[in-house]
Amino acid sequence: AQSVTQLGSHVSVSEGALVLLRCNYSSSVPPYLFWYVQYPNQGLQLLLKYTTGATLVKGINGFEAEFKKSETSFHLTKPSAHMSDAAEYFCAVSDLGQGGSEKLVFGKGTKLTVNP
Amino acid sequence: DTGVSQNPRHKITKRGQNVTFRCDPISEHNRLYWYRQTLGQGPEFLTYFQNEAQLEKSRLLSDRFSAERPKGSFSTLEIQRTEQGDSAMYLCASNPLSTEAFFGQGTRLTVV
Repeated sequence: AQSVTQLGSHVSVSEGALVLLRCNYSSSVPPYLFWYVQYPNQGLQLLLKYTTGATLVKGINGFEAEFKKSETSFHLTKPSAHMSDAAEYFCAVSDLGQGGSEKLVFGKGTKLTVNP
Repeated sequence: DTGVSQNPRHKITKRGQNVTFRCDPISEHNRLYWYRQTLGQGPEFLTYFQNEAQLEKSRLLSDRFSAERPKGSFSTLEIQRTEQGDSAMYLCASNPLSTEAFFGQGTRLTVV
């Protein structure tokens, strides 16, 4: 069974500081990994995804994540936080492309606060 | 707007009443998913359709829940005899074959 662990339910950074949101996964098949962002009372928007190939993936709004198989991690980073980055972030894993249902298994989320 | 559309956005109902939500996926997306998100949690998978066929259901989907996708287009999720524990955000997502899911804005259900 697949699972996702997001370390830190709340992360607070200053505007302009590095953002680091941690995600570790467990999967019995080669994982496809995703980061989604959710603003209050909204649905989820895809930030970036890893399927195959290059392990450093770049997404929207200056975010990027690195797939590290040996560490079973897919941490999300952004060099310089902006006030508009304040939201909740979800890491997810799926069996996309493995012939399964491709449903997403989500972590519990990390709420990012950006201080002026 | 060609995104995933969910209606209504908000629903308040009394315990014991039935409710139905609708999801219109992105045109030509053959896969459709329902998720439930409770406060402080990530979304949890409920059920999945490929075209009109319901191919997988989570054990979270009790007998009071039923989902349909007639003709492989829009989908409905019905909850019968609602309970306070059903209060949550219900999210719909669609995707074409083997790519990322696109989510709607969700229907927030409050059972009073």
